[in-house]
Amino acid sequence: DSGVTQTPKHLITATGQRVTLRCSPRSGDLSVYWYQQSLDQGLQFLIQYYNGEERAKGNILERFSAQQFPDLHSELNLSSLELGDSALYFCASSRGLAARSSYNEQFFGPGTRLTVL
Amino acid sequence: AQTVTQSQPEMSVQEAETVTLSCTYDTSESDYYLFWYKQPPSRQMILVIRQEAYKQQNATENRFSVNFQKAAKSFSLKISDSQLGDAAMYFCAYREIYNFNKFYFGSGTKLNVKP
Repeated sequence: DSGVTQTPKHLITATGQRVTLRCSPRSGDLSVYWYQQSLDQGLQFLIQYYNGEERAKGNILERFSAQQFPDLHSELNLSSLELGDSALYFCASSRGLAARSSYNEQFFGPGTRLTVL
Repeated sequence: AQTVTQSQPEMSVQEAETVTLSCTYDTSESDYYLFWYKQPPSRQMILVIRQEAYKQQNATENRFSVNFQKAAKSFSLKISDSQLGDAAMYFCAYREIYNFNKFYFGSGTKLNVKP
């Protein structure tokens, strides 16, 4: 158990709908990362937040958005869902942004499996 | 952008034997981290081993070791005395140091362990 929690574990929805995925980082971690893993592929970095502020963006679609709240939990919002959005969505957290430190070790949550029908 | 390539989609090894998984990466940076993650059927991402690019010594964690060839941009994982529990997808990952710790993952290698 990494200490990172994600809810829900599974989500089934229809095309065109909107869903929200939730992530709670490890106690004390200020940074949250979101990744998408499509079937039989590696993880694609989507976005990173640090202490409530967006710090880095990867290949995140405009239909997707995220935020980190004052209690440091984060939500990933996916809208106008398409079949191709079906994937496993991972959240990871790390203590901070220090360049060369164990504090920047990322710990992954168990993921949320999204199925778009 | 940095790229990570795992050229072996699937590999098999006999229990108790040794297997090596390959990974190459492309970067213009001189300082970075490299990782191997294990993803069992539960889909949990489990850190196996980490290598810091500025350290020349290859990292070792029990039965897992790496062969880090910085000039060749190669980072292979050796699993000794393979166990049934080692069966999983293995992902090689590259992490930047000076760009908010962005991760780049390879496409993965599925490891089968035969009894």
